Amino acid sequence: GQQLNQSPQSMFIQEGEDVSMNCTSSSIFNTWLWYKQEPGEGPVLLIALYKAGELTSNGRLTAQFGITRKDSFLNISASIPSDVGIYFCAGRQGGSEKLVFGKGTKLTVNP
Amino acid sequence: DAGVIQSPRHEVTEMGQEVTLRCKPISGHDYLFWYRQTMMRGLELLIYFNNNVPIDDSGMPEDRFSAKMPNASFSTLKIQPSEPRDSAVYFCASKPGRGGSYQPQHFGDGTRLSIL
Repeated sequence: GQQLNQSPQSMFIQEGEDVSMNCTSSSIFNTWLWYKQEPGEGPVLLIALYKAGELTSNGRLTAQFGITRKDSFLNISASIPSDVGIYFCAGRQGGSEKLVFGKGTKLTVNP
Repeated sequence: DAGVIQSPRHEVTEMGQEVTLRCKPISGHDYLFWYRQTMMRGLELLIYFNNNVPIDDSGMPEDRFSAKMPNASFSTLKIQPSEPRDSAVYFCASKPGRGGSYQPQHFGDGTRLSIL
């Protein structure tokens, strides 16, 4: 089945640093989503991207839909301790309601 | 607004017992999804429903797993008999139906299942 390769698997950064993570695939997707999961909770939607080349921001978060439609990245600027969690990318193909998820990037922010 | 509600939040039971996980989707959402999350395999879609009808159950691991949605506000995922390898966090998610651009899924907080 389709796979999303998400990297890095984990990141350890200092508060105030910028963060970048990405998701790639050999398949084309027409929707990219970024979710954040905190311990003991379900994934929460951060950003949704619907068009190739689209760049969307949500506060300190910025995500882009790659022009090849095979990748997406998420940037977090000026990280703070509450950014800690696991960030997942998810892609949707065609008109399907099914999402393919990456394995996640675990972010640790040291105060 | 209430989000997706799952119960129980934690379940510990012995191998061979029947396990029933419950989900109440967000009111007005037409789609309901069941996922399983493990360290090894990440988030896997088990089954999803549209307007209470199962659409795709290709992710259900085997006949021991079954899911039902008797009405728009309730769904169950049942494992019978349970096995230790079923230990995982099970998530339910729901989303609105079509009506323009794609509407993303909203997740509950999951049920952490441990089979001893």
